[in-house]
Amino acid sequence: ETGVTQSPTHLIKTRGQQVTLRCSSQSGHNTVSWYQQALGQGPQFIFQYYREEENGRGNFPPRFSGLQFPNYSSELNVNALELDDSALYLCASSDSVGETQYFGPGTRLLVL
Amino acid sequence: QKEVEQNSGPLSVPEGAIASLNCTYSDRVSQSFFWYRQYSGKSPELIMSIYSNGDKEDGRFTAQLNKASQYVSLLIRDSQPSDSATYLCAVNIYDQAGTALIFGKGTTLSVSS
Repeated sequence: ETGVTQSPTHLIKTRGQQVTLRCSSQSGHNTVSWYQQALGQGPQFIFQYYREEENGRGNFPPRFSGLQFPNYSSELNVNALELDDSALYLCASSDSVGETQYFGPGTRLLVL
Repeated sequence: QKEVEQNSGPLSVPEGAIASLNCTYSDRVSQSFFWYRQYSGKSPELIMSIYSNGDKEDGRFTAQLNKASQYVSLLIRDSQPSDSATYLCAVNIYDQAGTALIFGKGTTLSVSS
């Protein structure tokens, strides 16, 4: 059974650019959630996708957007990058809404 | 704003001791609760989930839930240096927009040999 995978592992961007992060869910999981974790903080919920539909969104601006594909993989897009967007971005999958979430290794984004 | 509160620590215990980690949450209707462990530079890994009031044991770990007090705890028996990490409490929140897993800021545990 393949776990949650994310790409890329590290990324450096400059302010104002756009970035796309990718996540493949664990086999059999149809729900994907994205989190932002700043240094020294707990993960903050960005949004969740269930069967290709957004199923909850945290307190993040519209420049954070996402997609879920028919194979349940997912993308997180961030437009107009700001310095404060520098963080570890985590993807987690579960076999349904509200069930236990399993995390991928994360993508570390640095915005200069 | 639905919140999950944890003492940030650090919590320092000697090897072999019991470490006690605590968490409170604000949403009375939450039904599922989780403890994750996160080593420095790594992603969170699940330790335990708990859904009903009372204790749930798994090896050296015991999770305790008291919904009336809105309180969740994690006990680690026979603490080992390899248990040194940040422990994250997480609570599933349900509202009109959908669901969200809300995390506390984490408690840093240091086990000295």
